[in-house]
Amino acid sequence: DGGITQSPKYLFRKEGQNVTLSCEQNLNHDAMYWYRQDPGQGLRLIYYSQIVNDFQKGDIAEGYSVSREKKESFPLTVTSAQKNPTAFYLCASSIASGSSYEQYFGPGTRLTVT
Amino acid sequence: AQSVTQLDSQVPVFEEAPVELRCNYSSSVSVYLFWYVQYPNQGLQLLLKYLSGSTLVKGINGFEAEFNKSQTSFHLRKPSVHISDTAEYFCAVSEYGGSQGNLIFGKGTKLSVKP
Repeated sequence: DGGITQSPKYLFRKEGQNVTLSCEQNLNHDAMYWYRQDPGQGLRLIYYSQIVNDFQKGDIAEGYSVSREKKESFPLTVTSAQKNPTAFYLCASSIASGSSYEQYFGPGTRLTVT
Repeated sequence: AQSVTQLDSQVPVFEEAPVELRCNYSSSVSVYLFWYVQYPNQGLQLLLKYLSGSTLVKGINGFEAEFNKSQTSFHLRKPSVHISDTAEYFCAVSEYGGSQGNLIFGKGTKLSVKP
C-alpha cells in the first residue's frame, strides 16, 4: 500500500538532546512538509520541500533542521535550540507543490522532552 | 495574509442529528479550501476540497461543504452523524495559483457525537 510512514509513534528525549524524526513516502510525490500540532493550535508549518535537495522554512522553523537527499525521505531534526519541543509532529506530501494539490498525512510522531 | 477561523472549538451533538462546523477565512486573493478530519492520535485525512466550479462540494463519509465567496465561508455539514464521526475537524486554505502549496489551517473543531 502506498502511503507515508513516520517512526517512531512515540519518542522521549531529555532536554538538551537533538532528536531526528523519520518520514518516508512511497507515493512518488515531489513535495513534502513538516507540521507541528499543539492542543487547540491547529497545525503550523515548520519546513517544506518542493523537490530533492531543496527546502524552505515555514512559519516556525527556529530550532529545527531538515534534509531532502532522496525523494522518498524528509527527516526532521529537533535541536536543543527549540525551546518547547514537546508536540505532535506530522509529515505530509503532495504530488507537486502547487496550492491546489491535496496533502497526504502520515500518522504522526508524538515527541516528549523532559 | 491569509487566516482561517473555526468559530467553534467544540461541538457536542447527539447521534443521528445534523451538524454544521463553521469556517471563515480571510484572504486578499482567491483561495482553495479544504476540510480534513483527524481521529485521535492519527494523521489528517482529506474530507473534501473546493477548487472551482460548483460551490456545493460533496466529500467522503456523507459530509458536504458550501463555499460562500461573499461571506468568505466554507461550512461543513452532515445531515445525520454517527458515533464514528467523533473526531477533530480542520479547515484549511491555500492561495489560488500559489506555487508552494502551503496550507493555512484553522485551530480545529472537536466534534463529539453522543448516543
